[in-house]
Amino acid sequence: AQSVTQLDSHVSVSEGTPVLLRCNYSSSYSPSLFWYVQHPNKGLQLLLKYTSAATLVKGINGFEAEFKKSETSFHLTKPSAHMSDAAEYFCVVSGGYNKLIFGAGTRLAVHP
Amino acid sequence: DAGVTQSPTHLIKTRGQQVTLRCSPISGHKSVSWYQQVLGQGPQFIFQYYEKEERGRGNFPDRFSARQFPNYSSELNVNALLLGDSALYLCASSAGMDNSPLHFGNGTRLTVT
Repeated sequence: AQSVTQLDSHVSVSEGTPVLLRCNYSSSYSPSLFWYVQHPNKGLQLLLKYTSAATLVKGINGFEAEFKKSETSFHLTKPSAHMSDAAEYFCVVSGGYNKLIFGAGTRLAVHP
Repeated sequence: DAGVTQSPTHLIKTRGQQVTLRCSPISGHKSVSWYQQVLGQGPQFIFQYYEKEERGRGNFPDRFSARQFPNYSSELNVNALLLGDSALYLCASSAGMDNSPLHFGNGTRLTVT
C-alpha cells in the first residue's frame, strides 16, 4: 500500500532563508509523487509532480523537489522564502487512477 | 476559464440530517473526485467518477454517496450526519481518469452540530 509521512508538522523560517519540507514515502511500485500547497480558506494547488522522468523536479514559485529512491524521500525545497509562501504543504502519493493519498501536512510560517 | 466551482461554500446541519454538496468541473474535464479534509489533517479520498460511472471509492460508510451528471457536474450526498462528518469537502476535476493533473475547488465547509 502507498503512504507518505511528513516529518515536520510545523516549520518556521525567516524571509529570504532556505525552506526544507521533508517527506518520506512508501510504495510497492514506482510511485507518482506530488507536492500540493493550501493557503487559508483556499483549495489545493499543485506545486510539482514526479513521475520518474527526472529525479529533480522543478515546480511553480521557485519550489523544487528531489526524488531519492535509496532514501524513499521526496523533500521540497526553495532557496529563499517569501512571506507569500506561508501556507500548508502536503506531500502526496498516487494510489492509482486519480486517487491521491495525502500526508498530514506541514504548516510553513515565514517571519519578516 | 472558470476553475472548479463548489456550492455552497459553508453549510451548517444538525446531527441526523442529510446534506448535498455540488461541484462543477472545469470545462472539458470528465473526471470528478471528492475528498474530505478534517481540520488539522490531510484530505482523504472519498469517490472518483469518470464518464458518469464510479471508478473508485475510499474507506467511507454507505452514508456517503455521489453521482455524476451528463454535463459532468457532480453531487456528494451524506445521510444521517454525525458530528465527525464536520470537515472541508473538496472536489477535484481532471481531464482523464488516470494520472491527469487534479484541479481542486475551494471546498464546502460543513459543520454538523
